Parts: sequence; structure tokens; C-alpha cells
Amino acid sequence: AQKITQTQPGMFVQEKEAVTLDCTYDTSDQSYGLFWYKQPSSGEMIFLIYQGSYDEQNATEGRYSLNFQKARKSANLVISASQLGDSAMYFCAMREGQTSYDKVIFGPGTSLSVIP
Amino acid sequence: NAGVTQTPKFRVLKTGQSMTLLCAQDMNHEYMYWYRQDPGMGLRLIHYSVGEGTTAKGEVPDGYNVSRLKKQNFLLGLESAAPSQTSVYFCASSRRLNQPQHFGDGTRLSIL
Repeated sequence: AQKITQTQPGMFVQEKEAVTLDCTYDTSDQSYGLFWYKQPSSGEMIFLIYQGSYDEQNATEGRYSLNFQKARKSANLVISASQLGDSAMYFCAMREGQTSYDKVIFGPGTSLSVIP
Repeated sequence: NAGVTQTPKFRVLKTGQSMTLLCAQDMNHEYMYWYRQDPGMGLRLIHYSVGEGTTAKGEVPDGYNVSRLKKQNFLLGLESAAPSQTSVYFCASSRRLNQPQHFGDGTRLSIL
């Protein structure tokens, strides 16, 4: 069963507007972490933001913020003031496990296109 | 500063051939991972390692083997390649679990 769900295969946003990319996850662990990565058409994976399950405040990194709703098991990425360079695939990932053999797994991704 | 280096970048194999993909990192990271990326499926974890001499199965381990004899290297082997293993393979490493992964540039593997 898919542990990380990204229900929006493709999204469009007007330049300079904000956009929210959805991510829901499934875990029974109390300690876990959530990552967002960006993959431009060139193929490299770029880390954007991290949220730990015990972090009390939502993570922010520049134009990126994470809307973390623990009870709903959602960790949505918000990109403010979209730029043309934000056009890319975006992946939500989760660190899970209760031992030293924790691992990081990814969702299927959301393709974001920024329209001028 | 090399980061994570994957070798080779491209390879075409025939069904039944074997090969090894090499991942090397120079950041002294404990954790290393092998993923495969297929259209519409994101990155799926094949195998991973939590330190030198350790390996563990991920989500899609069948048909692959790994070894981590040295901390800086993580090898992915295909003993008998199958067309279903045509994919882009990414290696990643991280210092600790709650720190971001550093990714290699990927290896595009085609099996005919």
C-alpha cells in the first residue's frame, strides 16, 4: 500500500501566485520526518524543506513552507510568489522506522508548471 | 567538492547480462540508498545501508544485490538483467536520518 500519497499528478500556477502541493502519509510511528524535494527537467534532486514529527512549528525555508497537520497526517508544501524556475516535479518523502534501520521513501510526485 | 558520484551515467545491457553500479560519496555520510525512478511512480527504494558493512532491503529489492564494504562506496548489482529493470537509478547519502539526502546525477539503464 502506498505510504505517501500525492493526489495531484499535475498542477498549474500563475507566476507570482502561491501554490500548495498536497502530501498525505501513512505511518504508525511516533517519530518520523517529512521531506520535500524538487526535480527539474535536468534530473537532479534538490532538497527543499524538512519537518520532524515532534517539531512544534511548521518548517519554512525562504519561499517554501510546510503546512504540517499531524492529526490529518498531511504535510503540504506551500510555494509563495511562484517563479518560472519553480516548474519541476516535486516529491514528498518520509523517514520511517523505529530502529537504527529507518529508511526514506518517496511519493509519486506532482508536476508543477508555472505560467508566465 | 564531488558529493555523490554515480558510475556509469548510461548503460545498455542485454537481457541476462550482469553489471554493477557504483556510488561513491566523499562526505563521510553513514546512510546510503539506491532508488529507481520510473514514470508516474516516483522514486522507489531498492536497498539501503545505515553504515559500513550493513545493508537492508527497501521496497523493491528483488533482482538486485548490494554491498557496502567501505563507508564511502555503495554498490548495486544486477545479476541477470531483465527488461523490467530498465529505469533511472539514483544513489543518495545522508549524515543522519533527519538530515536531507544528497543525490547523485543518476544512471540511465536500458535493458534490451
